[in-house]
Amino acid sequence: AQTVTQSQPEMSVQEAETVTLSCTYDTSENNYYLFWYKQPPSRQMILVIRQEAYKQQNATENRFSVNFQKAAKSFSLKISDSQLGDTAMYFCASAPQYSGAGSYQLTFGKGTKLSVIP
Amino acid sequence: DAGVTQSPTHLIKTRGQHVTLRCSPISGHKSVSWYQQVLGQGPQFIFQYYEKEERGRGNFPDRFSARQFPNYSSELNVNALLLGDSALYLCASSLGDRGWNTEAFFGQGTRLTVV
Repeated sequence: AQTVTQSQPEMSVQEAETVTLSCTYDTSENNYYLFWYKQPPSRQMILVIRQEAYKQQNATENRFSVNFQKAAKSFSLKISDSQLGDTAMYFCASAPQYSGAGSYQLTFGKGTKLSVIP
Repeated sequence: DAGVTQSPTHLIKTRGQHVTLRCSPISGHKSVSWYQQVLGQGPQFIFQYYEKEERGRGNFPDRFSARQFPNYSSELNVNALLLGDSALYLCASSLGDRGWNTEAFFGQGTRLTVV
């Protein structure tokens, strides 16, 4: 079983500044993936960044980077040079590294509402 | 290329009625998953289908059912609707069932309101 906890219901950041969103997780899996998804008002869930748990190197995607602390089961998202288009709900999620006949399912946190202020 | 498409985008139903939601995956994707997102919460896993077989089911009552067709499109059915079924229903497709082939691509969802 997997659980994902996001302890910041809402956050705000000034345009061009840096913000960090927190996420902790728990899992009984040895191998798993971690994700950050963005959900703007259009409702479509968009993948921001992903991390394979067996990789020690933190993932980066342009202005987005993660701080993955496996022992602490922590997976935070850093957004640099925040832009107005970054305003959205952000969800942290985990999934087992599936290899078999079982199911592949994402477990999501409750989300953090990020507002970028001009 | 078309992404994941869901229909309808919105609908309103009365308690006790039945509803069918539809999802067309990205071309070439063989796996479809359904999630329920209640207002203010993260999505919760309902079902996953791969190659037309149910691969997993979340903690939802038997009123929820689904199927996947030979063209990999999928339907989610909910019987005897309750007010608590009001939510955004998200469909996600993925290429396969190994490694990063399981990366999920989401549709824009169907907003169901039960009155």
